[in-house]
Amino acid sequence: GENVEQHPSTLSVQEGDSAVIKCTYSDSASNYFPWYKQELGKRPQLIIDIRSNVGEKKDQRIAVTLNKTAKHFSLHITETQPEDSAVYFCAASTRTGANNLFFGTGTRLTVIP
Amino acid sequence: GAVVSQHPSRVICKSGTSVKIECRSLDFQATTMFWYRQFPKKSLMLMATSNEGSKATYEQGVEKDKFLINHASLTLSTLTVTSAHPEDSSFYICSATRPEETQYFGPGTRLLVL
Repeated sequence: GENVEQHPSTLSVQEGDSAVIKCTYSDSASNYFPWYKQELGKRPQLIIDIRSNVGEKKDQRIAVTLNKTAKHFSLHITETQPEDSAVYFCAASTRTGANNLFFGTGTRLTVIP
Repeated sequence: GAVVSQHPSRVICKSGTSVKIECRSLDFQATTMFWYRQFPKKSLMLMATSNEGSKATYEQGVEKDKFLINHASLTLSTLTVTSAHPEDSSFYICSATRPEETQYFGPGTRLLVL
């Protein structure tokens, strides 16, 4: 089955700096990679996703890059703000929808004002 | 759109009792619902996949007789923790999806078994 690894487990950055979280996956058949943000005690919220037919996707301060050859994908947050502080999970699936999502272990991001 | 609700949000029960958690997709028909368990400061662990009108598919190590899942309609799935024990205390989260779309998560249910 799919194995998703995520690094780092914790990350502290100064407000305004950038944050990068990296994930690797093992199943070359995976082709859908969402990122979720989870605040304490709340549900995971999808913040951005990418499919394997593109290498990069950007939405305002958030971007995701995908390297299918190396089987890794990364989340980039620029101009970080205190409200970006949360746990971020990457995930991989062989398709959107009905297939399982395999989650990474999470990164606790702290943005220091 | 794509709102998923869960009820209850929090439940405390005595050891040996059963607890039912409901997961509803409020504004769409979910062909598939997933049930996850999350331990403090840990990732989401998939427990089972539930398709409407058919038996749930359980992940390895998850006892199907202990965690009963029913997906009676395209908008409702239930998870029943039978004969709950303190080690079943956890945060349970459902998600709902329809073909070719991402998973939308419910707000979670915090279960505490005394």
